[in-house]
Amino acid sequence: QVQLVESGGGVVQPGGSLRLSCAASGFNFRSYSIHWVRQAPGKGLEWVATISYDGTDRYYTDSVKGRFTISRDNSENTLHLQMNSLRPEDTGVFYCARDAGGVSWLFNYNGMDIWGHGTPVTVSS
Amino acid sequence: EVVMTQSPATLSVSPGERATLSCRASQSISSNLAWYQHKPGQAPRLLIYGASTRATGIPDRFSGSGSGTEFTLTISSLQSEDFAVYFCQQYNNWPPMYAFGQGTKLDIK
Repeated sequence: QVQLVESGGGVVQPGGSLRLSCAASGFNFRSYSIHWVRQAPGKGLEWVATISYDGTDRYYTDSVKGRFTISRDNSENTLHLQMNSLRPEDTGVFYCARDAGGVSWLFNYNGMDIWGHGTPVTVSS
Repeated sequence: EVVMTQSPATLSVSPGERATLSCRASQSISSNLAWYQHKPGQAPRLLIYGASTRATGIPDRFSGSGSGTEFTLTISSLQSEDFAVYFCQQYNNWPPMYAFGQGTKLDIK
């Protein structure tokens, strides 16, 4: 079964850190770029970061640059999001999502076709 | 930065009727648009990419149209399982960036 399963969310104080993980199964993980997308309470979806299928390229939304780091371990079929200097506005449910474009993802966007169920992050004192 | 605006915020429609959801981009995005369905507690589901191409396994009652700045998602005959929140998403090829609309909640009338 093709799936992504997030973990690592929790409650953290402002300025603290969390490391989210996303475990992939049922597909050739090393052939797909992966995104992190979050949803603040009562708000819409927000793209956070993307890592290319081979891990060589990483992209971030401006509000997390310098604080969040996306990484992957293709030998373990796992994606991570290291979140430092957390702020209350980082609160939300974090989803990992597969880019459907495979190794041609930069030239042929076919959407984010597989999503996890999300892991909640609360930043509060 | 491209801003995506969806309307209406909430749409109440009876089962079996047609629903039309709109998404507007603040500048032209060609056909670089996707639509997603999201139900509480579930993973979002890709419906449409390239503005009008249905994703794998999506019923043909879902259709997308538009290009440039104006886009539409149409659900031709609403089924009970279609009541959810729908998001549009634009993507920029380089550098890769993705922006979602704020969502339209599709309610049972």
